[in-house]
Amino acid sequence: QVQLVQSGSELMKPGTSVKISCKASGYTFTRHAVHWVKQAPGQGLKWMGWINTNTGRPMYAQGLTGRFVFSLDTSVSTTYLQISSLEADDTATYFCARDVPGGGHDSWGQGTLVSVSS
Amino acid sequence: SYVLTQPPSVSVAAGQTARITCGGDDIGTVSVHWYRQKPVQAPELVLDYETDRPPGIPERFSGSNSGSTATLIIDSVEAGDEADYYCQVWDSSTNDWVFGGGTKLTVL
Repeated sequence: QVQLVQSGSELMKPGTSVKISCKASGYTFTRHAVHWVKQAPGQGLKWMGWINTNTGRPMYAQGLTGRFVFSLDTSVSTTYLQISSLEADDTATYFCARDVPGGGHDSWGQGTLVSVSS
Repeated sequence: SYVLTQPPSVSVAAGQTARITCGGDDIGTVSVHWYRQKPVQAPELVLDYETDRPPGIPERFSGSNSGSTATLIIDSVEAGDEADYYCQVWDSSTNDWVFGGGTKLTVL
């Protein structure tokens, strides 16, 4: 069955960087883009962008700063979200989700909590 | 950018029908997707293209979309339906996906 499994929680200090992984299984990895979604504590969902798993091209949401970078490694069916120069406002759960061409996001990772605190 | 407006909360008695709205300019002209998020869980797609239910989503879930409002309809609401519900559309002017602010469904 389709599964997206994310890496574990991270406790980080301000100014440092973190890299979250999202490993896909149960389908052909390069046939579905992967989206990243942020959920701050007690808040709603905010779409961050997506990465074309066939070409490796990332597309970022308007207003998303250059501190956020999507990447992938097709050899292990894994996409990554790297956040640099971490700030307190980056404290959130980050979800990856599989794209349905023309439709919504039909499968989600379990989420990765990133906590930023000095 | 495109804005989707949802009521923060909806309460309904068990066995009744819940209607969760999602407002946006001419939303009736675009496809709307709905997600359910139970506490401490990942979101789950419950309706694709307003009316298509993914495998495992019961027929009690349906939707409509016209004019400036899309609606998620849950018939015969059960305690297990308590969750936050989010609508989503593709904003072709910015090439961004947009989520509504979410609605907390409480079953009385």
